[in-house]
Amino acid sequence: SQQGEEDPQALSIQEGENATMNCSYKTSINNLQWYRQNSGRGLVHLILIRSNEREKHSGRLRVTLDTSKKSSSLLITASRAADTASYFCATDDPSNTGKLIFGQGTTLQVKP
Amino acid sequence: EPEVTQTPSHQVTQMGQEVILRCVPISNHLYFYWYRQILGQKVEFLVSFYNNEISEKSEIFDDQFSVERPDGSNFTLKIRSTKLEDSAMYFCASSSGRAEFFGPGTRLTVL
Repeated sequence: SQQGEEDPQALSIQEGENATMNCSYKTSINNLQWYRQNSGRGLVHLILIRSNEREKHSGRLRVTLDTSKKSSSLLITASRAADTASYFCATDDPSNTGKLIFGQGTTLQVKP
Repeated sequence: EPEVTQTPSHQVTQMGQEVILRCVPISNHLYFYWYRQILGQKVEFLVSFYNNEISEKSEIFDDQFSVERPDGSNFTLKIRSTKLEDSAMYFCASSSGRAEFFGPGTRLTVL
């Protein structure tokens, strides 16, 4: 089964607007992590939310987790051109080995 | 701030050659991982490593792949006989048991 499927696949907004990306998963999780990847570059860890948490903030980022719906959202407020990147959610595998399962990601373009 | 480092940043090799990709995880981390990302595709798990042994490996991680932690700081991924389809970005990650931190990746091109 697929874990960590994001939607939309692509999002284009103007600088200053908010961007919301969603992630759905199928199995139980211990935590869910969001990463950013600039084109052709590495994965930057943004935020981890545990299964017993419902919301977490970090700067302009707000992550929510609804374990009953097996979904998470990443909100970037007051977006900047530098936020242009792909955003991935990753869930830990139920086997508990720390293995992460990534979705296809959402490509965000923030126009200046 | 501590970070995961990887070398080389780009490796070009001929099909059938052996390559070794190197990683230096964050120093107090105990869990180590390799992932790969074929261009335009999702990041895929290859292998996890804990306590000097493999804890899990994916179907991709066949007999051509091996991992080693030779000296307590480096963590390497070896591909014995590269194939064209091994061309990808390879990411190393480490964790203290919670969040996983990724290195910048090695872009492997197999010709």
